[in-house]
Amino acid sequence: EAQVTQNPRYLITVTGKKLTVTCSQNMNHEYMSWYRQDPGLGLRQIYYSMNVEVTDKGDVPEGYKVSRKEKRNFPLILESPSPNQTSLYFCASSLLGGSSYEQYFGPGTRLTVT
Amino acid sequence: AQKITQTQPGMFVQEKEAVTLDCTYDTSDPSYGLFWYKQPSSGEMIFLIYQGSYDQQNATEGRYSLNFQKARKSANLVISASQLGDSAMYFCAMRGDHYGQNFVFGPGTRLSVLP
Repeated sequence: EAQVTQNPRYLITVTGKKLTVTCSQNMNHEYMSWYRQDPGLGLRQIYYSMNVEVTDKGDVPEGYKVSRKEKRNFPLILESPSPNQTSLYFCASSLLGGSSYEQYFGPGTRLTVT
Repeated sequence: AQKITQTQPGMFVQEKEAVTLDCTYDTSDPSYGLFWYKQPSSGEMIFLIYQGSYDQQNATEGRYSLNFQKARKSANLVISASQLGDSAMYFCAMRGDHYGQNFVFGPGTRLSVLP
């Protein structure tokens, strides 16, 4: 089954404790992206990647890191989480090369930083 | 730069009625794609419908149709015969056609279907 998986689905952590949210897709997609969703603000892009070792900042990259060492994986790293990073996070992937390619979303990770 | 505007933060509709969710966009790309996603209370993002900028006909998928007016840069989602299960957040998004183009999302519209 074609899918994007994220882990963990729920995470409660404390300020300053480094964490990683994993994202993996099995569709051989070149494009992968991370979004955060906050009430009233919709989806805001954190980072995206067009291919292995190619990443770029989205609209809200501060406080986050990403890496793309393999095509299928695109982890999101919070080196020193803060309460303002409490949010719902989505990973997504798609093919590149045309505007008709939809994004496939993971199930989301709900993060709470206390 | 690309931008998506959804001016309706919330909408109500009676069950079995049709409803239109507004979406306007701004882009300088000559070719682009427009998407609608549904997010129910469970949180997952569900792809609903796609419209290409050069498509001659409005896209339809079951009870969903996209009212595409290119000159007005609008891509409104029409849901016919609303069901209680249609209550959700709806996001309009777009993507340019050149290689490496990013996705841009609107702020969303929360639809509530009343019994």
